[in-house]
Amino acid sequence: DAGVIQSPRHEVTEMGQEVTLRCKPISGHNSLFWYRQTMMRGLELLIYFNNNVPIDDSGMPEDRFSAKMPNASFSTLKIQPSEPRDSAVYFCASSFGLLQEQYFGPGTRLTVT
Amino acid sequence: AQKITQTQPGMFVQEKEAVTLDCTYDTSDQSYGLFWYKQPSSGEMIFLIYQGSYDEQNATEGRYSLNFQKARKSANLVISASQLGDSAMYFCAMIDTNAGKSTFGDGTTLTVKP
Repeated sequence: DAGVIQSPRHEVTEMGQEVTLRCKPISGHNSLFWYRQTMMRGLELLIYFNNNVPIDDSGMPEDRFSAKMPNASFSTLKIQPSEPRDSAVYFCASSFGLLQEQYFGPGTRLTVT
Repeated sequence: AQKITQTQPGMFVQEKEAVTLDCTYDTSDQSYGLFWYKQPSSGEMIFLIYQGSYDEQNATEGRYSLNFQKARKSANLVISASQLGDSAMYFCAMIDTNAGKSTFGDGTTLTVKP
């Protein structure tokens, strides 16, 4: 069975551009999480969904960040406009229920120049 | 608010020996879940083990066991018979069973020496 799929794996963009990160959770999982990992701040939970509904987006750093989950098999994290300080690895994870172990995707390494 | 503390930035262990990675947590909730993840240098996050706050027995998964001491709010990871492939960053995490919000510690880098 395929794990969590993220695309792209690497993204290099210029400051001010819009960036869209994509995630396909494991089939059957109903909870989805977006994380950001940097050396300075470690692993931060940005937003999570349960049954496609956003539960808590208090970790989203600014209004420039938005996330959607239009259906059970797809989610996007969008940054508009992007800034150099958004450079990080962005992970998507899914689980069968909010309280179960989360399975992570391979991450998207974002570099904003 | 939840907090996870991993006090060991780096640890070394000899191959084939056991090692304990420390994790303490702070929460006012009675119901919560604790996890350990491994992140090798390749960057992926690998789930290792889970312990629920109401589980009376310590969780075990192969060479991994979680030493859960609820009164002390600690959830240490024990790796037995260390292998070179165990060299990685290890993260302790907690999930709030009320809202489902997860919090990760800063991680411990484990290096296994041959």
